[in-house]
Amino acid sequence: EVQLVESGGGLVQPGGSLRLSCAASGFTFSSYWMSWVRQAPGKGLEWVANIKQDGSEKYYVDSVKGRFTISRDNAKNSLYLQMNSLRAEDTAVYYCARGASSPPSGYYYYYMDVWGKGTTVTVSS
Amino acid sequence: SYELTQPPSVSVSPGQTARITCSGDALPKQYAYWYQQKPGQAPVLVIYKDSERPSGIPERFSGSSSGTTVTLTISGVQAEDEADYYCQSADSSGLGFGTGTKVTVL
Repeated sequence: EVQLVESGGGLVQPGGSLRLSCAASGFTFSSYWMSWVRQAPGKGLEWVANIKQDGSEKYYVDSVKGRFTISRDNAKNSLYLQMNSLRAEDTAVYYCARGASSPPSGYYYYYMDVWGKGTTVTVSS
Repeated sequence: SYELTQPPSVSVSPGQTARITCSGDALPKQYAYWYQQKPGQAPVLVIYKDSERPSGIPERFSGSSSGTTVTLTISGVQAEDEADYYCQSADSSGLGFGTGTKVTVL
């Protein structure tokens, strides 16, 4: 069974740090782009970051650039999100998702076909 | 950045057809994707590349595209289709989601 399981969420003070993890199973992790998507309480979905199969390309939403770092360990089938300088507005459920992306040539596409259940991050004093 | 606009809510009676629109200037140049999210659950992909349906998604879900607007159509709506629906688009530098539409089955 294809599965993504997030962990590492919790309560952190403003300015603090947290590292989220996502354990993948049931598919060849190293063959897929991966993403983090978040959802603030009562709000819509917001894309956070993407990482290429080998980690050589990473993309972020403007609001987290310079504060968050996406990474992966293909040997451990794991995805990570290091979050520094956390703000109240980073409070959200954070989802790990598998990306389906186009090959280097051809019409571009990117969507997320498998999602984890999410882990909750609360930034508050 | 991505600006994808959806109506906040759509109400439909069981067995009727629900249509959810998503508008954005970049949509003529990019594929659109649709996700269903029920309360307390993770999103589920229901349409990809404008009109393709993943395996396991009922045939009553369909997608279409015309200019700057894409549409998710749910034919013969069932009570279990009550959920939030989000469109999504992407280019090589990132991606964005629509504002979300709550579908209520009366």
